[in-house]
Amino acid sequence: KQEVTQIPAALSVPEGENLVLNCSFTDSAIYNLQWFRQDPGKGLTSLLLIQSSQREQTSGRLNASLDKSSGRSTLYIAASQPGDSATYLCAAFSGGGADGLTFGKGTHLIIQP
Amino acid sequence: DAGITQSPRHKVTETGTPVTLRCHQTENHRYMYWYRQDPGHGLRLIHYSYGVKDTDKGEVSDGYSVSRSKTEDFLLTLESATSSQTSVYFCAISQGTEAFFGQGTRLTVV
Repeated sequence: KQEVTQIPAALSVPEGENLVLNCSFTDSAIYNLQWFRQDPGKGLTSLLLIQSSQREQTSGRLNASLDKSSGRSTLYIAASQPGDSATYLCAAFSGGGADGLTFGKGTHLIIQP
Repeated sequence: DAGITQSPRHKVTETGTPVTLRCHQTENHRYMYWYRQDPGHGLRLIHYSYGVKDTDKGEVSDGYSVSRSKTEDFLLTLESATSSQTSVYFCAISQGTEAFFGQGTRLTVV
């Protein structure tokens, strides 16, 4: 059974800092890994999708990396802004079954102005 | 959003009553999922579907049933609502790659 862990559970940093959010998964036989953002009371917004054959994906100030062999992914946020404050979730996709899309519990990020 | 609509968005119901939540997609994606999100537990899979009339149980399926009679619709039914089913329910769709989520249904069972 796939298990996904996110560290840290919460993070508060001043504006402008570069930061790294961590995601680890127990079963390396994944098809892809996806990072989401969730604002309070809202749904999940897809940020980045990394296919199993890829090492990283970039979108603006966000960069996500994937190391399947070690069961790890990181989300790098450059030059953080107060608008980046949200909960960030990673999810590992292992196929179409009940373990298909397994989520971590998220990192609650606060960027202080 | 990627063509996913959940209805209703908010509902208050009484213990013991049946409740049906609807997820409608316009993307023709094969996979559809129902999750619940609770503080301290994160997102937990209730049921999923891999095609019309093809469904299976997830991690927390007790007290829930689903149906998928058309590609675009995935229904979640609480057969007899209990207070422990007070939660936010999310529907997701996928073609086996990127997953997209609906805006959620906040259900309160009183």
